[in-house]
Amino acid sequence: GQQLNQSPQSMFIQEGEDVSMNCTSSSIFNTWLWYKQDPGEGPVLLIALYKAGELTSNGRLTAQFGITRKDSFLNISASIPSDVGIYFCAGLNYGGSQGNLIFGKGTKLSVKP
Amino acid sequence: DAGVTQSPTHLIKTRGQHVTLRCSPISGHKSVSWYQQVLGQGPQFIFQYYEKEERGRGNFPDRFSARQFPNYSSELNVNALLLGDSALYLCASSKRLAGSSNEQFFGPGTRLTVL
Repeated sequence: GQQLNQSPQSMFIQEGEDVSMNCTSSSIFNTWLWYKQDPGEGPVLLIALYKAGELTSNGRLTAQFGITRKDSFLNISASIPSDVGIYFCAGLNYGGSQGNLIFGKGTKLSVKP
Repeated sequence: DAGVTQSPTHLIKTRGQHVTLRCSPISGHKSVSWYQQVLGQGPQFIFQYYEKEERGRGNFPDRFSARQFPNYSSELNVNALLLGDSALYLCASSKRLAGSSNEQFFGPGTRLTVL
């Protein structure tokens, strides 16, 4: 099935570092969402973006909806150990008769050994 | 308020068997969507239901079916299970079928293992 291009695939963080990840698509979306998933659990919604160019924050998290509507990025500032997990971007085209999410493959955040 | 709930949490079946997974949406949410997540991948859309009607279907075989009940809860059924059906099955609910500010919230998932 269709998936978005998400990078990096994985990264290691040290407490206090800033983290960036992004997501691109060959087609446009009118909503971008970012989820975090911990092992054995369902994805938890972090940030939702509804307008091209929109910049939205949720605590230490900041996400932007790309101006072309084909990309989005997520930044985490001053990372802490509980930020470890898998982050997924998802695109949504609402309107018409349905609204299903298209997901990226995820960015896995781990703690530096 | 309770979030999206799913049952069972884990399930082990053998090839050829049938399975039924259940989902209760957030109170007040009328749309339920089902996703399949295999290890190392993002969730893949299977179905979306709204007001008891199927409103969207992903690229899955006819062995997969679903329904939504008057109380907006939903069941996902998979017949003639294959090894490749082993995955985490996620249910998501949203207030409406579509439209802006209509975020989908996920349940904890059902881990299905097919032996």
